[in-house]
Amino acid sequence: GENVEQHPSTLSVQEGDSAVIKCTYSDSASNYFPWYKQELGKRPQLIIDIRSNVGEKKDQRIAVTLNKTAKHFSLHITETQPEDSAVYFCAATLYSGAGSYQLTFGKGTKLSVIP
Amino acid sequence: GAVVSQHPSWVICKSGTSVKIECRSLDFQATTMFWYRQFPKQSLMLMATSNEGSKATYEQGVEKDKFLINHASLTLSTLTVTSAHPEDSSFYICSARRAGGPETQYFGPGTRLLVL
Repeated sequence: GENVEQHPSTLSVQEGDSAVIKCTYSDSASNYFPWYKQELGKRPQLIIDIRSNVGEKKDQRIAVTLNKTAKHFSLHITETQPEDSAVYFCAATLYSGAGSYQLTFGKGTKLSVIP
Repeated sequence: GAVVSQHPSWVICKSGTSVKIECRSLDFQATTMFWYRQFPKQSLMLMATSNEGSKATYEQGVEKDKFLINHASLTLSTLTVTSAHPEDSSFYICSARRAGGPETQYFGPGTRLLVL
């Protein structure tokens, strides 16, 4: 099965600075990599995703990069704001047969943006 | 959009009772729904994959007789925690994938279960 490692587990940045969260995955067959933001007691919200045929994707202050060879993908948040404070999860998706896809999550990164 | 609801949002029950949690996709059909469990300050752990009209696929270590899953329609999956015990207290979250759609999973708001 797939194994996803996520670092760091906690990250504190000053407002306006950038934040980078890194993940690695083990199964080269994984082909879809979403990032979720989860605020305390709430549902995970998809914030950006990338497929294995793309190396980088950007959406305003958020960008994701993917290195298939190294099996790394990273989330970059620029010009951080206090409302970016949350737990961020990376995930890797593996096709498990019969039209079914399975998400494997990293352990999460608690991001704190200090005003 | 892709809205997933869960009901109830909070459950407090006595040990030994069974608890049923519903997961609904409100504006799309979901061939596949997933049930996760999340302990405080931890990641989401997949419990089972629920396919409409067929038996659920359980992850290793998850007791299928303890956590009964039914996916009777393209918009509803239910998780029943049978004979709940305090160690079953957790945050249960479902997600749904659009029928015929990409791999993206949309999450419900979660159900917090407290077993006394």
